[in-house]
Amino acid sequence: DTEVTQTPKHLVMGMTNKKSLKCEQHMGHRAMYWYKQKAKKPPELMFVYSYEKLSINESVPSRFSPECPNSSLLNLHLHALQPEDSALYLCASSSGPLASYTFGSGTRLTVV
Amino acid sequence: ILNVEQSPQSLHVQEGDSTNFTCSFPSSNFYALHWYRWETAKSPEALFVMTLNGDEKKKGRISATLNTKEGYSYLYIKGSQPEDSATYLCAFNFGNEKLTFGTGTRLTIIP
Repeated sequence: DTEVTQTPKHLVMGMTNKKSLKCEQHMGHRAMYWYKQKAKKPPELMFVYSYEKLSINESVPSRFSPECPNSSLLNLHLHALQPEDSALYLCASSSGPLASYTFGSGTRLTVV
Repeated sequence: ILNVEQSPQSLHVQEGDSTNFTCSFPSSNFYALHWYRWETAKSPEALFVMTLNGDEKKKGRISATLNTKEGYSYLYIKGSQPEDSATYLCAFNFGNEKLTFGTGTRLTIIP
């Protein structure tokens, strides 16, 4: 299996809702990442997990809460989001900084 | 602030023609440069990871060069085909787990 699987593909949520994005890989990659991409902008790093531990948090607001239950799974818990959080959320994994990243196809999130 | 810049922002190329575009990055503290191809409604696909000054890599009709001293990389596509239409992203790595992306070059191949 050489894929990163993200679910759901699309999500519409209200500002008071709680939802979670899920990401799964079975390539044995030690690092997993969350990126956020707004229209016509490059993907921006949010979080990095290395060996299941949070190693980088790019000053992301606490309404985004990452979780890495095991080496294959990465979640992003969402609570009290704002309309400006609407974006494409991409998950990726890699075996290290010199290795290419494998990306999922993303979750298109709309906050209403 | 780290700036990774790509030019041009968009490009229209006739099918069969060759083309190239540029990624500029800070020349200090270089560790690795990545290239990705991102087709609409698909996942970004890895093309190359380049680490050494003077490196040249090739994958089919696509090749890339790297100049770490002056801080740029070129991506070349030979004999463009419609399936080459995509956004091409470069990304810079300092040596930690953080990959910083450029704004991309959107390539459209005209049949």
